[in-house]
Amino acid sequence: EPEVTQTPSHQVTQMGQEVILRCVPISNHLYFYWYRQILGQKVEFLVSFYNNEISEKSEIFDDQFSVERPDGSNFTLKIRSTKLEDSAMYFCASRKNMGGSEQYFGPGTRLTVT
Amino acid sequence: ELKVEQNPLFLSMQEGKNYTIYCNYSTTSDRLYWYRQDPGKSLESLFVLLSNGAVKQEGRLMASLDTKARLSTLHITAAVHDLSATYFCAPGISSDKLIFGTGTRLQVFP
Repeated sequence: EPEVTQTPSHQVTQMGQEVILRCVPISNHLYFYWYRQILGQKVEFLVSFYNNEISEKSEIFDDQFSVERPDGSNFTLKIRSTKLEDSAMYFCASRKNMGGSEQYFGPGTRLTVT
Repeated sequence: ELKVEQNPLFLSMQEGKNYTIYCNYSTTSDRLYWYRQDPGKSLESLFVLLSNGAVKQEGRLMASLDTKARLSTLHITAAVHDLSATYFCAPGISSDKLIFGTGTRLQVFP
């Protein structure tokens, strides 16, 4: 069964460093998302992406964040200069089409900023 | 800003008992999703509710949606230990981003 994959599973970085989190969505899906979950809290929407551009982004997704689909399979989230408060689990999700189809979530990348 | 509230936040229940989790949301949405999350794991889709009055059942779980009341429920019948997890509801809006509720942590004990 197709699934969303994410790498790495855990990333430790120092404050101020750049990180790139990688996702491979399900192959025939068209809509892509990033969410994050701070430990013990709810899941928060970051950004949605369709047709090679951002559809929507939240207030969390400021200038330090960017997303890219560099080829036909990968979908990346870059944090330019990490802060301590960026420590969280980051989930990538994809869906086939709009109109209520399910979003399938990847296993997540745990980002720890020290 | 869309607010999504679930109650209860924590639920400790005995095996074999029934209970309902409530999800209220503050703005119009004609679709709602329920997800399950085990500790340290990702989100697993349980139900997709796409219209007012929609009801779906899978095993011991049944979800319903009342879009006019902006309310969804997740009913647990005869709980078993394997249902212990955190359950999130999420209305879908605009680009179909999901706005997750606070989550309900369910613990089922013998």
